Amino acid sequence: GAGVSQSPSNKVTEKGKDVELRCDPISGHTALYWYRQSLGQGLEFLIYFQGNSAPDKSGLPSDRFSAERTGGSVSTLTIQRTQQEDSAVYLCASSPPGISTDTQYFGPGTRLTVL
Amino acid sequence: KQEVTQIPAALSVPEGENLVLNCSFTDSAIYNLQWFRQDPGKGLTSLLLIQSSQREQTSGRLNASLDKSSGRSTLYIAASQPGDSATYLCAVFTGGGNKLTFGTGTQLKVEL
Repeated sequence: GAGVSQSPSNKVTEKGKDVELRCDPISGHTALYWYRQSLGQGLEFLIYFQGNSAPDKSGLPSDRFSAERTGGSVSTLTIQRTQQEDSAVYLCASSPPGISTDTQYFGPGTRLTVL
Repeated sequence: KQEVTQIPAALSVPEGENLVLNCSFTDSAIYNLQWFRQDPGKGLTSLLLIQSSQREQTSGRLNASLDKSSGRSTLYIAASQPGDSATYLCAVFTGGGNKLTFGTGTQLKVEL
């Protein structure tokens, strides 16, 4: 079956512009995560959605970052007024309902470059 | 705050060699530990998941062990092949944060 998909695969933008990154989770998965992987650093958690519950936004680095999940499926991560330090690979993951300790299935990521 | 460390950061071995990747974490209150593989330009692929109550998991040539009390895990790769070349990431799941905390990875190169 189809895995987690993300678009675009690559995004180059100018400093100060807003960008939107999209994630389509695996059908039926209720949990959705966003992570960021910066050059030379590990993956860091950004935000977590679980069903209709309020999202866990504890990993968002600043108020320029926000995310939505519409209809419990597709998610959009928005970065406003991008800065060069926002350059990274943004990874989305989803996991099935019911078992919070199940594995997370990752998408291929969006590589964001801020010039 | 949970911190995950992986040693070594990079490793180059000849084909056929058995090897061990190490992962350590500071907070033993974990639900599970996972080993992932990441290929360039691609997402993460889950290799093995060990629940906190388990000691090890095996899949083919891979064996992962977990010593929760000491905060350590190892990934053993038997008879390494060039196709095993990738970055291997260790991550722990702490339910209180509903998130995975990742190590910085071990970049493995298996040479012919």
